[in-house]
Amino acid sequence: AQSVTQPDIHITVSEGASLELRCNYSYGATPYLFWYVQSPGQGLQLLLKYFSGDTLVQGIKGFEAEFKRSQSSFNLRKPSVHWSDAAEYFCAVGVGGADGLTFGKGTHLIIQP
Amino acid sequence: GAVVSQHPSWVICKSGTSVKIECRSLDFQATTMFWYRQFPKQSLMLMATSNEGSKATYEQGVEKDKFLINHASLTLSTLTVTSAHPEDSSFYICSARGGPSNNSPLHFGNGTRLTVT
Repeated sequence: AQSVTQPDIHITVSEGASLELRCNYSYGATPYLFWYVQSPGQGLQLLLKYFSGDTLVQGIKGFEAEFKRSQSSFNLRKPSVHWSDAAEYFCAVGVGGADGLTFGKGTHLIIQP
Repeated sequence: GAVVSQHPSWVICKSGTSVKIECRSLDFQATTMFWYRQFPKQSLMLMATSNEGSKATYEQGVEKDKFLINHASLTLSTLTVTSAHPEDSSFYICSARGGPSNNSPLHFGNGTRLTVT
């Protein structure tokens, strides 16, 4: 079965600084990869996804992620964070499209002034 | 864009009672909906896959007699937590596939906070 690891439970970044959230997956083939953001008490919003093709994926709100097959990683990046980016970020993997997603445990992003 | 409405957004119930949560796709037909559960500061765990007109497929460890799922139409799936107990208190989120293809995007509801007293 597939699994997703987000090694950082909490990350604190200064406003305006760059951000990288780590995500590693375990699956025998190339999975579908997603990053979602969840604000407190809210549902999930899709930031970006990777199905195939260009391994550098652009998403909403200035986020991007890069799929690295050799490292089984799909790290999320943003060059300059804003206070409104403070939220919980989830990496997820889907393997068959017809199935639900497997989520990582999430990374709580804190933005300090 | 596609919207999934989940109702209620929060509910408090007494132990032993049942609670129904609705998940509606507002502007598209969803043949497949998914139900997730999220414990505090934990990840989302897939509970079951709901297909319109057929029985739901439950993930290992999820009690199908406790978490009843009904997907009677292409725009509505319901999750009923039967004989709720305090350990069922959690955040439940549904998602719906926004198209016929397995690659169609997933749209998430805003979740339901269930508190069992």
